[in-house]
Amino acid sequence: DQQVKQNSPSLSVQEGRISILNCDYTNSMFDYFLWYKKYPAEGPTFLISISSIKDKNEDGRFTVFLNKSAKHLSLHIVPSQPGDSAVYFCAAILGYDMRFGAGTRLTVKP
Amino acid sequence: NAGVTQTPKFQVLKTGQSMTLQCAQDMNHNSMYWYRQDPGMGLRLIYYSASEGTTDKGEVPNGYNVSRLNKREFSLRLESAAPSQTSVYFCASSVGRLAVQETQYFGPGTRLLVL
Repeated sequence: DQQVKQNSPSLSVQEGRISILNCDYTNSMFDYFLWYKKYPAEGPTFLISISSIKDKNEDGRFTVFLNKSAKHLSLHIVPSQPGDSAVYFCAAILGYDMRFGAGTRLTVKP
Repeated sequence: NAGVTQTPKFQVLKTGQSMTLQCAQDMNHNSMYWYRQDPGMGLRLIYYSASEGTTDKGEVPNGYNVSRLNKREFSLRLESAAPSQTSVYFCASSVGRLAVQETQYFGPGTRLLVL
């Protein structure tokens, strides 16, 4: 029972353009949502988060949007840079339980 | 300040062998976690320890045991390894209960292959 889903395993964009990564969830009880970035042979690192009571959170080039009625969140990266190439995981929190999506591999081409 | 460290980095086991994965954090965090990551799947929580002296099952606890040795250390034990336990294991820690301002910090992972 995968409660958090990332349906696009990969995404390729040109440097300078916008990257949009999507995530869907099924449990309406989740309190918070996060995005993690992961490079090969490293652990995930926290990128940005959003509370379930908000619909948008910005941090520099990264913006997360939450649509509670659709149970959908997205991560926008503008402008995309080659160093953004990594696997991005969305995650949802309920208490101590964090459920992850399967990840989307983003490739930003110079 | 090393953050979260894990040993070993890589291990090969034969079916039925046992081993313990070690994790330590130097951030004075109260809560620690063990995840596994398999191809095509996100990280799945095996066990967590909300505070020193407590442990609780996560999403996929079968075949594993944990010990919160002290505030810094949280170990994961495979008593009788099975090929299905071939995975990358991540340890993480957080100050306490997860919240939007409080997230987890992950170790670099242990890659385990069970033959």
